[in-house]
Amino acid sequence: ETGVTQTPRHLVMGMTNKKSLKCEQHLGHNAMYWYKQSAKKPLELMFVYNFKEQTENNSVPSRFSPECPNSSHLFLHLHTLQPEDSALYLCASSQDLFIFPFFGPGTRLTVL
Amino acid sequence: AQSVAQPEDQVNVAEGNPLTVKCTYSVSGNPYLFWYVQYPNRGLQFLLKYITGDNLVKGSYGFEAEFNKSQTSFHLKKPSALVSDSALYFCAVRDNNNDMRFGAGTRLTVKP
Repeated sequence: ETGVTQTPRHLVMGMTNKKSLKCEQHLGHNAMYWYKQSAKKPLELMFVYNFKEQTENNSVPSRFSPECPNSSHLFLHLHTLQPEDSALYLCASSQDLFIFPFFGPGTRLTVL
Repeated sequence: AQSVAQPEDQVNVAEGNPLTVKCTYSVSGNPYLFWYVQYPNRGLQFLLKYITGDNLVKGSYGFEAEFNKSQTSFHLKKPSALVSDSALYFCAVRDNNNDMRFGAGTRLTVKP
């Protein structure tokens, strides 16, 4: 694939569950991103990290909590989600904020 | 604020015919423009980009795109479509603030 891996690939969770999405990049990049892809809507940028520091939070609800322990790993912690949060969550990375990002395969999330 | 519009949800072409997937943008400053493709159950893959230089940009899999500043467009083209080109195509723009925005996507179906 592209050097950006995401686990799990599929996740079904209840509204009271707590789960985490994991992203890992093997490209030596310094910037990492979370995107949300819902059906028939533009791809939505959620969070941006550059050199492990969060540089952007696009008004994302607090039930989504990102974590970037190092420049190779990015997590998205989920708790008390709503059914409308069901979507494909894509992780991406880039050498820096000026370069086009490479995307992972995504995690298909279903909230029951 | 920058934005991207893909006016067609769906494009259908016959194999061997030329294809065009339309994209228009609105951005302050000089645009960085991108096309990505998403095959079923896969992450987004980079196709091509325009930063500066020639208005006609050549990318992967025989695709090309033409930057038209006066029409603020960046249409994706291919002279002869293949059935395997059937996928979801996303146009994206990154402005001078490094904010990257995606269009809603266009589903291309190439019929034998």
